[in-house]
Amino acid sequence: AQKITQTQPGMFVQEKEAVTLDCTYDTSDPSYGLFWYKQPSSGEMIFLIYQGSYDQQNATEGRYSLNFQKARKSANLVISASQLGDSAMYFCAMREGGAQKLVFGQGTRLTINP
Amino acid sequence: NAGVTQTPKFRILKIGQSMTLQCTQDMNHNYMYWYRQDPGMGLKLIYYSVGAGITDKGEVPNGYNVSRSTTEDFPLRLELAAPSQTSVYFCASSYEAGYSATIYFGEGSWLTVV
Repeated sequence: AQKITQTQPGMFVQEKEAVTLDCTYDTSDPSYGLFWYKQPSSGEMIFLIYQGSYDQQNATEGRYSLNFQKARKSANLVISASQLGDSAMYFCAMREGGAQKLVFGQGTRLTINP
Repeated sequence: NAGVTQTPKFRILKIGQSMTLQCTQDMNHNYMYWYRQDPGMGLKLIYYSVGAGITDKGEVPNGYNVSRSTTEDFPLRLELAAPSQTSVYFCASSYEAGYSATIYFGEGSWLTVV
């Protein structure tokens, strides 16, 4: 069965510092995709970054990068040079090959302090 | 850029009432989804559709119905509303299936059943 674990309910970081949000996953399917979404206080779900199980390099999108450690089943989100606007809930999610559903973790609330 | 549009944004229902959450997308995506998000939790799949005329159940379909008469529209019907259906509902879409397909979400609909 799929499972996504985010062990950090909340994190507090000073502005301009880098931050790592943890995500571990559990699947027996060799084909899967890992996603990170941002949910600001306004409520919408914003897609940030994607990593495929066969991708050799870590995904990057601007200030976001994904630290993908396949053997450890870990897909941590790294935000460089954090900004006040990064304060939000962050969700890690996984989709197995052939599966319709995207399975979400419980999220991490990130607060950026000025 | 419209993307995925949901209405209404907020709604209060009395126990036993029925209502329809509307969802439309203008990206010509074949795949559409309805998720619900309970407080402090990640999202769970209610129903999905792989194309016009084809729908299927997700993890938590009880108490809901869907239809897909066009590629663009995927309404979610709540029959006999119950307090347990108090949640935030997200409609989403993707161009294709498969583990690498990014799912794009609407802005959410906040539903309270009293």
